[in-house]
Amino acid sequence: DIVLTQSPATLSLSPGERATLSCRASQSVASYLAWYQQKPGQAPRLLIYDASNRATGIPARFSGSGSGTDFTLTISSLEPEDFVVYYCQQRGNWPYTFGQGTKVEIK
Amino acid sequence: EVQLLESGGGLVQPGGSLRLSCAASGFTFSNYVMGWARQSPGKGLEWVSIISASGGSTYYADSVKGRFTVSRDNSKNTLYVQMNGLRAEDTAVYYCAKGRLFGATHNWFDPWGQGTLVTVSS
Repeated sequence: DIVLTQSPATLSLSPGERATLSCRASQSVASYLAWYQQKPGQAPRLLIYDASNRATGIPARFSGSGSGTDFTLTISSLEPEDFVVYYCQQRGNWPYTFGQGTKVEIK
Repeated sequence: EVQLLESGGGLVQPGGSLRLSCAASGFTFSNYVMGWARQSPGKGLEWVSIISASGGSTYYADSVKGRFTVSRDNSKNTLYVQMNGLRAEDTAVYYCAKGRLFGATHNWFDPWGQGTLVTVSS
């Protein structure tokens, strides 16, 4: 199975700052990588798919980049509602797998 | 508006069985792959199974293969997963999710339902 490693585990930032989250795959997944946001008590919500495409209704402050094994989710200016957990997921091969998550917390 | 409503979760003893359902609305159910994912504190998020739009192709995680069976009834707009031989490590919130793209089996999944909790314990 493809292992996705997210870093850092926790990111402490202030509102308005830029957040950079990393996801590294144990083997190439081409551009078959997505990012999900999960708020407490809610299901994950698709933010980015195919590495860099924003899902419907996702604000422009969220952007994704990368291909192969190294991927980045960037939040250009953190809003209060962005301080939650983010997961990456690959569908390059079945079984699809998730990273362990990055928690973005208020500094 | 797409809505996915899971049901059927609960407390079950090890070795027991449970069937989860996911009632879908707001889209043409028979045109989209559907999937089950689960989330537990110990193991994080995990894709359990996906089923093609027609139901003709299914995929399972190794951890559930031979114990879980995914199915769908396109006439009832409902997705199911039959879970047999349940183990403590199957304890999780189970989510159903809709494929993003029309027709494609390998797909991104969006949106997800609100989830149903399955607890396996004696």
